[in-house]
Amino acid sequence: DTGVSQDPRHKITKRGQNVTFRCDPISEHNRLYWYRQTLGQGPEFLTYFQNEAQLEKSRLLSDRFSAERPKGSFSTLEIQRTEQGDSAMYLCASSAMTPNGAEQFFGPGTRLTVL
Amino acid sequence: AQSVTQLGSHVSVSEGALVLLRCNYSSSVPPYLFWYVQYPNQGLQLLLKYTTGATLVKGINGFEAEFKKSETSFHLTKPSAHMSDAAEYFCAVKPGHAGNMLTFGGGTRLMVKP
Repeated sequence: DTGVSQDPRHKITKRGQNVTFRCDPISEHNRLYWYRQTLGQGPEFLTYFQNEAQLEKSRLLSDRFSAERPKGSFSTLEIQRTEQGDSAMYLCASSAMTPNGAEQFFGPGTRLTVL
Repeated sequence: AQSVTQLGSHVSVSEGALVLLRCNYSSSVPPYLFWYVQYPNQGLQLLLKYTTGATLVKGINGFEAEFKKSETSFHLTKPSAHMSDAAEYFCAVKPGHAGNMLTFGGGTRLMVKP
């Protein structure tokens, strides 16, 4: 078990460009989460998948953001027409579907810088 | 709705001293509570969690936390700080077993002086 992995670790882009991040969860986990963390703040929830179904989305997830988990395994988060305010660390987490308190395991994050 | 307040964005202690990081929460349902640690340029690692049962929970690296419902608190403590404890610490709440989304506090940066 290699844990949650994210790719790339760092992304620098120019304003207006599109970017896509990938998250590979722990293999037996069927729940996957995306969070965004800006400098000096705690992570904020963006969206959540159970298997391939996207079950919850934060109002932080504007129309420029889209997330997919096509086969219930890896997930992608795409940001279209990036803005400087999108600069942040994007964290992915996964968890198993257990009755209570399922721990969310976090990946190392993708740090996005929009110039 | 849930919210988390961490008092003190920065805490500095001497090596060997008591560590106390404060966390207060609000939740409309019985909460599940978590403490995570984040080292520079890394993801979050779970230190400990409270779901049900014993209100004093022990975690990794000698940390523990006590759930106090009457005070809506879940403070994190460690009897003796080590240099390797220097990191950012986040308290988080989830609305019991029914919820999935974690709501995090703003974090507390712990500095350990030699």
